[in-house]
Amino acid sequence: DAGVTQSPTHLIKTRGQQVTLRCSPKSGHDTVSWYQQALGQGPQFIFQYYEEEERQRGNFPDRFSGHQFPNYSSELNVNALWLGDSALYLCASNGGISTDTQYFGPGTRLTVL
Amino acid sequence: QKEVEQDPGPLSVPEGAIVSLNCTYSNSAFQYFMWYRQYSRKGPELLMYTYSSGNKEDGRFTAQVDKSSKYISLFIRDSQPSDSATYLCAMRRAAGNKLTFGGGTRVLVKP
Repeated sequence: DAGVTQSPTHLIKTRGQQVTLRCSPKSGHDTVSWYQQALGQGPQFIFQYYEEEERQRGNFPDRFSGHQFPNYSSELNVNALWLGDSALYLCASNGGISTDTQYFGPGTRLTVL
Repeated sequence: QKEVEQDPGPLSVPEGAIVSLNCTYSNSAFQYFMWYRQYSRKGPELLMYTYSSGNKEDGRFTAQVDKSSKYISLFIRDSQPSDSATYLCAMRRAAGNKLTFGGGTRVLVKP
C-alpha cells in the first residue's frame, strides 16, 4: 500500500521564479493538504483540497495556489519566489474533509537563491 | 503568542530512560490531538491520535490530554537511540482538517 508520495525531492530556484510541486495521496484518500515547514519550526498549514476545490486556507498570500485532479493528486504552485519561501513543503492526505487524521509525505525541499 | 507552545529542547536522555514531552495550547476549540515523530529531512510520522481527555497507550508510547488545563503530553518508555528525532504535537478543531503544530522538541537518546 503506497503512502503519500511527493516530487521532486529537492528543488533549487532563484528569486522571482515560479515552482510547481506535486503530491499523490495515500491509496483510498481523497483529501490533500499542503504545509510549509521552515527550518527548525513546525509545519504551517497552507491549504486543503477536497473534490477538486480549495476548502480551507491558512495565512498565506495569493502567490501560493493549488489544484487537485480527478485522481485526487494535487499540485502546489508558488509564484514570484522569495528567499523566505525556502522550506520543506509537505503534502498530507486523509480520507474525507473532516474525518480521520493526516498522513504525511516525505516532502519537497525548496531552496530559493 | 503562538496558539501551540512546545519547548524546542534539545532533550537529551540515556538509553532506557523515560522521555517526557508536552505542549500547551490557548484555543479551547481544539478537539483532536496528535503526536508526530520527524526524523531529519523526512516527513512527519503519526505516533498517537487522541480525542478525549485522559490517557491513551500504544506500546512504549502514552499520550495524555488535559483539556481543562489545555495541556497534552507524550511519554516514551524504555527509550532507544532510534527514538532520537524531533517530536511535533499537532491539534485541530472538530470541523476541517487544518492541523496547528507546535514548533517541535528535538530528542536525543544516548546509548
